[in-house]
Amino acid sequence: GNSVTQMEGPVTLSEEAFLTINCTYTATGYPSLFWYVQYPGEGLQLLLKATKADDKGSNKGFEATYRKETTSFHLEKGSVQVSDSAVYFCALIEGNQGGKLIFGQGTELSVKP
Amino acid sequence: DGGITQSPKYLFRKEGQNVTLSCEQNLNHDAMYWYRQDPGQGLRLIYYSQIVNDFQKGDIAEGYSVSREKKESFPLTVTSAQKNPTAFYLCASNPGYASGELFFGEGSRLTVL
Repeated sequence: GNSVTQMEGPVTLSEEAFLTINCTYTATGYPSLFWYVQYPGEGLQLLLKATKADDKGSNKGFEATYRKETTSFHLEKGSVQVSDSAVYFCALIEGNQGGKLIFGQGTELSVKP
Repeated sequence: DGGITQSPKYLFRKEGQNVTLSCEQNLNHDAMYWYRQDPGQGLRLIYYSQIVNDFQKGDIAEGYSVSREKKESFPLTVTSAQKNPTAFYLCASNPGYASGELFFGEGSRLTVL
């Protein structure tokens, strides 16, 4: 079946460091891919998405490129801030699943001043 | 402002008691979802509903029940049959087409004493 695998956390970085959170997926068709972010004590928010191969999603300085050849959708940011501390979830949906997302296990990011 | 409201934010229950978590949305979305979040396990789908008066089991429906009598409301009952109910519960909605963009509430944390 379809699945999403993320790198394990927690990830601890200093402010202004470069961030990469790895995400790979298994899917039978051509999924859309997403990154969601969860700040402490809150629900999830959509961070960015990509709907087809080679698309790049971007938002708030974060980027991720849909790589069909490596079935990956790694999240990157060039310079993290303390306010980026959160849990990040990679997710996928296949065409006719009507919002039924499959989530990875989440990666906790902690950014120190 | 439009959004999803979950209540209560924190709930304590004795073993053997049923509890109901409320989820209300004013986004006019057709589809609504309940997820359970446990540390290190990501989000797991409990139930979902794509239209009023209809709902389907997700991956971990045992010990839970739902209703969808109104478009705006999708309450979740955690029954005494749920063996390990202590968790963070998240409600979400989306317009009903396969965009994959879910709008989440802020969650309800249930603790069984």
